[in-house]
Amino acid sequence: AQSVSQHNHHVILSEAASLELGCNYSYGGTVNLFWYVQYPGQHLQLLLKYFSGDPLVKGIKGFEAEFIKSKFSFNLRKPSVQWSDTAEYFCAALDYKLSFGAGTTVTVRA
Amino acid sequence: NAGVMQNPRHLVRRRGQEARLRCSPMKGHSHVYWYRQLPEEGLKFMVYLQKENIIDESGMPKERFSAEFPKEGPSILRIQQVVRGDSAAYFCASSLDTGGTSYGYTFGSGTRLTVV
Repeated sequence: AQSVSQHNHHVILSEAASLELGCNYSYGGTVNLFWYVQYPGQHLQLLLKYFSGDPLVKGIKGFEAEFIKSKFSFNLRKPSVQWSDTAEYFCAALDYKLSFGAGTTVTVRA
Repeated sequence: NAGVMQNPRHLVRRRGQEARLRCSPMKGHSHVYWYRQLPEEGLKFMVYLQKENIIDESGMPKERFSAEFPKEGPSILRIQQVVRGDSAAYFCASSLDTGGTSYGYTFGSGTRLTVV
């Protein structure tokens, strides 16, 4: 099964700053990759997913992610964050079951 | 489409009691997955079920935990003789296809179990 590692445990930034969260998965071949967001006290919501095709994936709320096969990476980006982006972000990889990274808590200060 | 429905949203049990968590998948989905989220940790896979079958239970603790997905009715995650360490959020997800490899998963809102 895939294993997923997220580089940062907690990121703190100011509104309008740019955000990049790192994610690496364990092995190549066909892989489906996801980023989920969990707002405080809520369930997981899908931000974006990569199955195949264009390695630059655009998701909801202005997020995007880039799949780099040679680096086994799928980093999440947002050019300008808002206070409402405060949440926990999970990267996940799917072979036949979804494996999650440990998550990155993002705190955006107004 | 009501999505994945989990109930109860919050469950409080005393040590030694049983906890039963229910999950109704999205309409048309026959694959169900249970995950556990402990405080300060990510989501850990527990079990993957298809109707009347357990496909993968590699993440289930060997004792006290069981899961089923009967032909009729919701999937049930059952925890017998709960201990404080079982306190966590339990999320259920469902998929249309095997392993969710074509369309991904849809998650429920979770059940937050507190053992006192």
